[in-house]
Amino acid sequence: EAGVTQFPSHSVIEKGQTVTLRCDPISGHDNLYWYRRVMGKEIKFLLHFVKESKQDESGMPNNRFLAERTGGTYSTLKVQPAELEDSGVYFCASSQSRGFGYTFGSGTRLTVV
Amino acid sequence: AQSVSQHNHHVILSEAASLELGCNYSYGGTVNLFWYVQYPGQHLQLLLKYFSGDPLVKGIKGFEAEFIKSKFSFNLRKPSVQWSDTAEYFCAVTGGSYIPTFGRGTSLIVHP
Repeated sequence: EAGVTQFPSHSVIEKGQTVTLRCDPISGHDNLYWYRRVMGKEIKFLLHFVKESKQDESGMPNNRFLAERTGGTYSTLKVQPAELEDSGVYFCASSQSRGFGYTFGSGTRLTVV
Repeated sequence: AQSVSQHNHHVILSEAASLELGCNYSYGGTVNLFWYVQYPGQHLQLLLKYFSGDPLVKGIKGFEAEFIKSKFSFNLRKPSVQWSDTAEYFCAVTGGSYIPTFGRGTSLIVHP
């Protein structure tokens, strides 16, 4: 089966610009998760979708981050406007069951300059 | 709240050396424990997991981990590492929340 796909794999933007990250989960996986890893630190949870609904968005850093999953398929994570501290690797994962059987994507490395 | 601590941030070994990466968690209730690996340029992959039963868990590629409840630990081991084990290793726990909490990761470099 196809894995979790994320794109772009790398993005370099200037402070104040907008960036949209995309995640395509494994087909049939209702659960989709976004995580972020800032350089050298732990992988931190951002939010969890069940189909198109936000189940838990307690990890979203602030209102510059907007995640959507229209139609319950792919998801986007928009950062607007981007700040320097938003740099890091953004991971997406999907699973059939909540909390188990995660499959991760390769991540998007975001650099804000 | 659950948390995970990985004590070794960078480990450098020669091939055939033995490996042990430390992982401690904090949560007083029932936990599920995981080790993930990210090889250069690849996605995070599950190495092994513990849900219940035998506390010594065997995973892929010769890795194993032992759950010691009294020490709140889930250390990862491999008796003889290979150059291809060069990667970043993450310990994770679910307990109070179904959302895994990850450690900071350990970067392992194996010299041929």
